[in-house]
Amino acid sequence: QKEVEQNSGPLSVPEGAIASLNCTYSDRGSQSFFWYRQYSGKSPELIMSIYSNGDKEDGRFTAQLNKASQYVSLLIRDSQPSDSATYLCAVNTASSARQLTFGSGTQLTVLP
Amino acid sequence: DGGITQSPKYLFRKEGQNVTLSCEQNLNHDAMYWYRQDPGQGLRLIYYSQIVNDFQKGDIAEGYSVSREKKESFPLTVTSAQKNPTAFYLCASSLLASIPEQFFGPGTRLTVL
Repeated sequence: QKEVEQNSGPLSVPEGAIASLNCTYSDRGSQSFFWYRQYSGKSPELIMSIYSNGDKEDGRFTAQLNKASQYVSLLIRDSQPSDSATYLCAVNTASSARQLTFGSGTQLTVLP
Repeated sequence: DGGITQSPKYLFRKEGQNVTLSCEQNLNHDAMYWYRQDPGQGLRLIYYSQIVNDFQKGDIAEGYSVSREKKESFPLTVTSAQKNPTAFYLCASSLLASIPEQFFGPGTRLTVL
């Protein structure tokens, strides 16, 4: 079992809809969770960090963490074509000595 | 402007050659990291350094070497022992090793001819 798993997609949503991206992790001792956005050919950009159970909102982005179920999700409201990118989930697992373990990413396409 | 720079942006190497990728940061971050990304895959950790003159192997260190002589600089050498070096190489930094938020440079795309 991979430590951090994401659906590879592609996920397509119409413009203005809510995009929902999911990530599960295997290490129950994980403490920090991150979402990165990566445009094609570019480097990852940190868009959300979440450390405790519940929701964290930043503009059109909401990160949701459920440690009991070992999943973290990212919601993008009012999706725009400029949100089309690959979204990487990263987890600071207890087994990795504070390093980040990345999922393989979910490719999102927002259709105009 | 504070940030992380990587050079070159594109690099072509013949088989059997060693090449060195540059990574410089002016964020005053203590920790620096090197990742490799292959198409359709996530990032895999090659090496990381928590302080100057110290570094540790990541998950895929074989065929790579690093140095950390200055806080600002963390160059990566891809040696001829690396069997499949064609990939997108990403350098990242974090304020402290204990703070996991990492910020990335623009990357170097290495192609072996």
